[in-house]
Amino acid sequence: DQQVKQNSPSLSVQEGRISILNCDYTNSMFDYFLWYKKYPAEGPTFLISISSIKDKNEDGRFTVFLNKSAKHLSLHIVPSQPGDSAVYFCAASEETSGSRLTFGEGTQLTVNP
Amino acid sequence: KAGVTQTPRYLIKTRGQQVTLSCSPISGHRSVSWYQQTPGQGLQFLFEYFSETQRNKGNFPGRFSGRQFSNSRSEMNVSTLELGDSALYLCASSPYSTAYGYTFGSGTRLTVV
Repeated sequence: DQQVKQNSPSLSVQEGRISILNCDYTNSMFDYFLWYKKYPAEGPTFLISISSIKDKNEDGRFTVFLNKSAKHLSLHIVPSQPGDSAVYFCAASEETSGSRLTFGEGTQLTVNP
Repeated sequence: KAGVTQTPRYLIKTRGQQVTLSCSPISGHRSVSWYQQTPGQGLQFLFEYFSETQRNKGNFPGRFSGRQFSNSRSEMNVSTLELGDSALYLCASSPYSTAYGYTFGSGTRLTVV
């Protein structure tokens, strides 16, 4: 039962353009969502998060949007840079599950110079 | 401040053996969670320890176990290793048993031959 899904295994964009990574979830009990960036053989690096009481959170070039009715969130990166090339994971947690995170499968973002 | 430290970084073991992995959380963090990352299954939650007590457990066989010490350091043990246990094992720490402030270590790459 895949409760968090990232349907695009890969995304390729040009430097300077917008990257939009999408994530869908099925568990309505999820109340906190996070995005991580990961390089091979390294641990995920936290990028940005959003609580279910908000619909948008912004941090520099990164913005996360949450649509609770659609059970959908997206990460926007503007402008995209070659150094952003990595695998991006969305993750979700629910208050009653402590610090347990449920991850999507990841999206490989490639930003071309 | 120091991040989450996992040792060793790389490990090669033979089928049937057992292995112990170590995780030192960020100072002051009391929750430690463990994840397994494989190409086919993505990032999957193993278990969480908070104040030396297991708070959550994922869907892994009993061969996977863990513990947490009074200084919050945690160890994960896998007994009777199988080829399918080859994976990147990640631990993450957070101040409390929530996903806020969740920080991952660089992982231990376990290869079972």
